[in-house]
Amino acid sequence: AQSVTQLGSHVSVSEGALVLLRCNYSSSVPPYLFWYVQYPNQGLQLLLKYTTGATLVKGINGFEAEFKKSETSFHLTKPSAHMSDAAEYFCAVRTGNTPLVFGKGTRLSVIA
Amino acid sequence: DAGVIQSPRHEVTEMGQEVTLRCKPISGHDYLFWYRQTMMRGLELLIYFNNNVPIDDSGMPEDRFSAKMPNASFSTLKIQPSEPRDSAVYFCASSLRSGGTDTQYFGPGTRLTVL
Repeated sequence: AQSVTQLGSHVSVSEGALVLLRCNYSSSVPPYLFWYVQYPNQGLQLLLKYTTGATLVKGINGFEAEFKKSETSFHLTKPSAHMSDAAEYFCAVRTGNTPLVFGKGTRLSVIA
Repeated sequence: DAGVIQSPRHEVTEMGQEVTLRCKPISGHDYLFWYRQTMMRGLELLIYFNNNVPIDDSGMPEDRFSAKMPNASFSTLKIQPSEPRDSAVYFCASSLRSGGTDTQYFGPGTRLTVL
């Protein structure tokens, strides 16, 4: 069975600083990987997803993630944090036709 | 499209009462998912449907929980009787398919408080 581990339940960065949210997955077969974002009092929305091919995936709002098979990682980054990026971020994994398996989430705070 | 619609957005009830949460998926989507989100347990998949048929309800916590999908445009999650530990945010999501790279679209959630 697949699983996802998000390192750090809370990350705090200064406005303009690099954002790095960590995600490691466990899967016995090639996975499909996703990042979702949840703004306060809203549902989750898709930021980006890795399918096959290019390992660097670009998403909305300047976020990107790199699939590293050797490290079983799919970390989310953004070069310069904005106040509006404050939210909860979820990494998720799926193999084949199984439902998405979500990590516990990482809450991102951006300090002015 | 209006996206996934959930109602009510907030529900406050007393222990022992019946609670019904409602969801309208995106038109044309064949899959519908119910999730529960709490601080302690994160996001849990409760049950999902394909073409109105329940596929996997192994995440439903106990017999007090039941879910139905009488047609392609409507689903309910019922808790009877409710207990304080059921307090959580309940999300409904839908997708065209359930596999591969298909995206799940989430509703805004229902925040349930059981006193």
